Amino acid sequence: EPEVTQTPSHQVTQMGQEVILRCVPISNHLYFYWYRQILGQKVEFLVSFYNNEISEKSEIFDDQFSVERPDGSNFTLKIRSTKLEDSAMYFCASSTGTQETQYFGPGTRLLVL
Amino acid sequence: AQTVTQSQPEMSVQEAETVTLSCTYDTSESDYYLFWYKQPPSRQMILVIRQEAYKQQNATENRFSVNFQKAAKSFSLKISDSQLGDAAMYFCAYRVNFGNEKLTFGTGTRLTIIP
Repeated sequence: EPEVTQTPSHQVTQMGQEVILRCVPISNHLYFYWYRQILGQKVEFLVSFYNNEISEKSEIFDDQFSVERPDGSNFTLKIRSTKLEDSAMYFCASSTGTQETQYFGPGTRLLVL
Repeated sequence: AQTVTQSQPEMSVQEAETVTLSCTYDTSESDYYLFWYKQPPSRQMILVIRQEAYKQQNATENRFSVNFQKAAKSFSLKISDSQLGDAAMYFCAYRVNFGNEKLTFGTGTRLTIIP
């Protein structure tokens, strides 16, 4: 069964460094999402992406964040200058349409020191 | 704004027994979807079941079923014949049926299965 994959599974970085989290959505999916989950808290929406554009973003998704689909398979989340509070699990998800189920990847655990 | 509330931070159930996880939500919309996602210790979010608000019939997936009460804005998950592999964090989630694509999650219920 096709699934969403994410790399790396874990990343440790120093505060102020840039990180890029990578996702490979399910191949026939057109809508892509990033969510995050700070340890012990609920999963929060960050951004949705369709047709090479951001379709919606939350107030968490400030100028430090950006998303890109650099080729036909990858979907990336970049954090330009990481802060301690960016430490979280980051989930990528994809779907075939806005009314369809979102399928999640296994997540990337980001730790900012 | 839509909110999702899960009032049971933790639940436990004896293996082979039935357990019900509660979820309530608040919305002014009439057309939306509700979901239960499972997050085992591996931390991958897995879809358990989905309910469309315009459908009166409660969704069922094998041992998992929901009790959807639209007027009460309640969406509980029933797990029958609980198995050790059901141990996980369960999240209730909501999404409106047009425009806004984002999922709004509850805070989760940690389910423990007692052998």
